[in-house]
Amino acid sequence: GAGVSQSPSNKVTEKGKDVELRCDPISGHTALYWYRQRLGQGLEFLIYFQGNSAPDKSGLPSDRFSAERTGESVSTLTIQRTQQEDSAVYLCASSLPGAGASSYEQYFGPGTRLTVT
Amino acid sequence: QKEVEQDPGPLSVPEGAIVSLNCTYSNSAFQYFMWYRQYSRKGPELLMYTYSSGNKEDGRFTAQVDKSSKYISLFIRDSQPSDSATYLCAMKGGGATNKLIFGTGTLLAVQP
Repeated sequence: GAGVSQSPSNKVTEKGKDVELRCDPISGHTALYWYRQRLGQGLEFLIYFQGNSAPDKSGLPSDRFSAERTGESVSTLTIQRTQQEDSAVYLCASSLPGAGASSYEQYFGPGTRLTVT
Repeated sequence: QKEVEQDPGPLSVPEGAIVSLNCTYSNSAFQYFMWYRQYSRKGPELLMYTYSSGNKEDGRFTAQVDKSSKYISLFIRDSQPSDSATYLCAMKGGGATNKLIFGTGTLLAVQP
């Protein structure tokens, strides 16, 4: 079946503009994660959705960042008033529900490469 | 101090060599330890995971966890050019959240 897809694959925007990034998880994966990967850095957790539970937003770096998820499907990550330090690859991942071994395997999309000029 | 430290490399080895990749961590609450492989311009993919201390082997790959030293390793035997990628360690605690804490990744190049 199809893996995690993300769009756009690349986005160049001017400082101060808003951007919206999209993630389509694997069907049946109720858990969805957003990470940010800056050049030469590891993955930085941003937000986690699990079913109808309140999302874990503890990784969002500022109130310019927000994310939504419709049911157990598509998620969008919005960055308002973009800054140059927001330039990074934004990765989405999904996994099966629960806290057992099946949930450890997070399936990643190819990412959206955001460049803020 | 970062919760997870990983030598960024790059690490260059000849084909057939044994590769050792390592991470150290500071949070004693971490119980689950994973290694992801990331090819250039792709998302990471899970290679192996282990729970608590001990060894786990899968083909040419062996993962080791030493919780007393807060140190984890990934060994690759008979390395191949196709193993050339960035290897990221990742960890999570025992709580309800599945948030993973990643190392910075080690870039590995296996020369044919």
